[in-house]
Amino acid sequence: QSVLTQPPSVSAAPGQKVTISCSGSSSNIGNNYVSWYQQLPGTAPKLLIYDNNKRPSGIPDRFSGSKSGTSATLAITGLLTGDEADYYCGTWDSSLSAGVFGSGTKVTVL
Amino acid sequence: EVQLVESGGGLVQPGGSLRLSCAASGFTFNSYVMSWVRQAPGKGLEWVSAISGSGGSTYYAESVKGRFTISRDNSQNTLYLQMNSLRAEDTAVYYCAKDHSSNCELGFDYWGQGTLVTVSS
Repeated sequence: QSVLTQPPSVSAAPGQKVTISCSGSSSNIGNNYVSWYQQLPGTAPKLLIYDNNKRPSGIPDRFSGSKSGTSATLAITGLLTGDEADYYCGTWDSSLSAGVFGSGTKVTVL
Repeated sequence: EVQLVESGGGLVQPGGSLRLSCAASGFTFNSYVMSWVRQAPGKGLEWVSAISGSGGSTYYAESVKGRFTISRDNSQNTLYLQMNSLRAEDTAVYYCAKDHSSNCELGFDYWGQGTLVTVSS
């Protein structure tokens, strides 16, 4: 059972938008930065968003992050077939003094 | 160019030990928090352990506390994970990851290719 809760799957047609939620508590999301990762099959995760809403260089602005209270959201607009992957949220938990990841969300492009 | 190259994975019997290494290059190693993250076959990501840039602070997931030890050699730009009392549930691909910050934020901007640890008799 993950400390952070994500929906198991989301789907949409090419060109559409999907959002992935990540729900936590005051000890993690509520008081720490959230990051988002994309993992394609057989590869290492790739950082999409850090510090709640910042994109590393090279990440297109189709990917955006936001945070409100104890929840965070990743939005992907203009969906491409290449966006089919697993997506994870992650943050630090100050009560556990440990890192925590969400359970992951599989994005399917219909 | 930042590179993280893990080594040391393999097959080990339950109760055995293994030491993973992660050779880092292309950045000021002692300025960043480094972590180990694992992924069991077909499962999600699990944060395992982190260490501060100086090596003075270490953190562990409850599932490995008391069995695993993280360390770093800043003179050799190398991160380690000593794994003792290994269990079947420790079977996973282990990644070393660089945090983008000098704090533990889980904002891992660089990852290694991963090394597979299999615990089985």
